[in-house]
Amino acid sequence: GAVVSQHPSRVICKSGTSVKIECRSLDFQATTMFWYRQFPKQSLMLMATSNEGSKATYEQGVEKDKFLINHASLTLSTLTVTSAHPEDSSFYICSARRTGWNSPLHFGNGTRLTVT
Amino acid sequence: SQKIEQNSEALNIQEGKTATLTCNYTNYSPAYLQWYRQDPGRGPVFLLLIRENEKEKRKERLKVTFDTTLKQSLFHITASQPADSATYLCALDNYGQNFVFGPGTRLSVLP
Repeated sequence: GAVVSQHPSRVICKSGTSVKIECRSLDFQATTMFWYRQFPKQSLMLMATSNEGSKATYEQGVEKDKFLINHASLTLSTLTVTSAHPEDSSFYICSARRTGWNSPLHFGNGTRLTVT
Repeated sequence: SQKIEQNSEALNIQEGKTATLTCNYTNYSPAYLQWYRQDPGRGPVFLLLIRENEKEKRKERLKVTFDTTLKQSLFHITASQPADSATYLCALDNYGQNFVFGPGTRLSVLP
């Protein structure tokens, strides 16, 4: 089956620093990838849709200057949390669709970010 | 506004019984409904997809029904096992637009 790899799985950083999270589709090309945020015991909240070769589409309330998304190739999207603060601590998950809009999402294993 | 509800935050059942999870939605006309499993600290894993014109879908011990009149999907796990313990998420999809997840139900299968 399709595999999406996300790295790192855990990261601890100090306030004010930036953190980059990578999401790779290992065995398929993904023109679109999705970034989610998940708080404990809550569901997935879509942050943005990453489009290869163009700007990401952000959901309402998500700061695009805070969460920088780059989708430079058909197999790699990155999310950079800039000037991180403790309230940015969360579980970030990426996903991608293997084929068309009616195919299921394949998820990475998430990144646990802790900002001290 | 769109709303997706899953019957309960947590559900405990005895091993061997059938677990039934409910997903209800309002203000939405999904073309597809999907179910995912999520284990703690991991990303969700796709289980089943059912289209709006399908009533029922099966895969091994899993069964999903979809009633667009009631705006409800039921997810059944028969002969449940402790290894089935996880959070189960329903997700609605409208032709690739507006893909939305429900809050999830945490299932615990007790030995």
